[in-house]
Amino acid sequence: AQSVTQLDSHVSVSEGTPVLLRCNYSSSYSPSLFWYVQHPNKGLQLLLKYTSAATLVKGINGFEAEFKKSETSFHLTKPSAHMSDAAEYFCVVIRVTGTASKLTFGTGTRLQVML
Amino acid sequence: GAGVSQTPSNKVTEKGKYVELRCDPISGHTALYWYRQSLGQGPEFLIYFQGTGAADDSGLPNDRFFAVRPEGSVSTLKIQRTERGDSAVYLCASSPDRGNYGYTFGSGTRLTVV
Repeated sequence: AQSVTQLDSHVSVSEGTPVLLRCNYSSSYSPSLFWYVQHPNKGLQLLLKYTSAATLVKGINGFEAEFKKSETSFHLTKPSAHMSDAAEYFCVVIRVTGTASKLTFGTGTRLQVML
Repeated sequence: GAGVSQTPSNKVTEKGKYVELRCDPISGHTALYWYRQSLGQGPEFLIYFQGTGAADDSGLPNDRFFAVRPEGSVSTLKIQRTERGDSAVYLCASSPDRGNYGYTFGSGTRLTVV
């Protein structure tokens, strides 16, 4: 079975400082992984995706993530946080078989950005 | 439309009543998914449609929940004899394939059972 574990339920940073949101995955084969962001009272938005091409993936709003097979990790980073980055972030693994497709979400990390 | 549309955005119903939640996916997207997000949790899979057929309904919690997609476009999630534990945000998503490159989510329907 595939799963993801988000290591921090809450991360607080100051505006202008780096962001690191940690995610570890478990999969019996090379997974496809995503990061989604959810702003309050809004829908989930795809930030970036890893699908076995380049291991360093760049997404929207300056976010990027690096797939590290040896560490089974897919951490999300951003060099400089902005107030508008405050939201809930979900690490997600997808399982695609012959007829089925299913996303499994982590429990989420709430990012707080302080002035 | 430009995105995935869900209606209503909010629904309050009494325990025991029947509700229908509607999802209008992105035009041309063959795959459609329903997820449920309880307070403080990540979304949980309910059901996946490929075209008109439910390819995977293993996430439906019990037989009070049912979903249809009769013409391969709009989908309706139906909940019979609602219980307070059904209160959650119900999310719909669509993708042009089986989702290998990510899904597009709607804003959700917040269901409150009182």
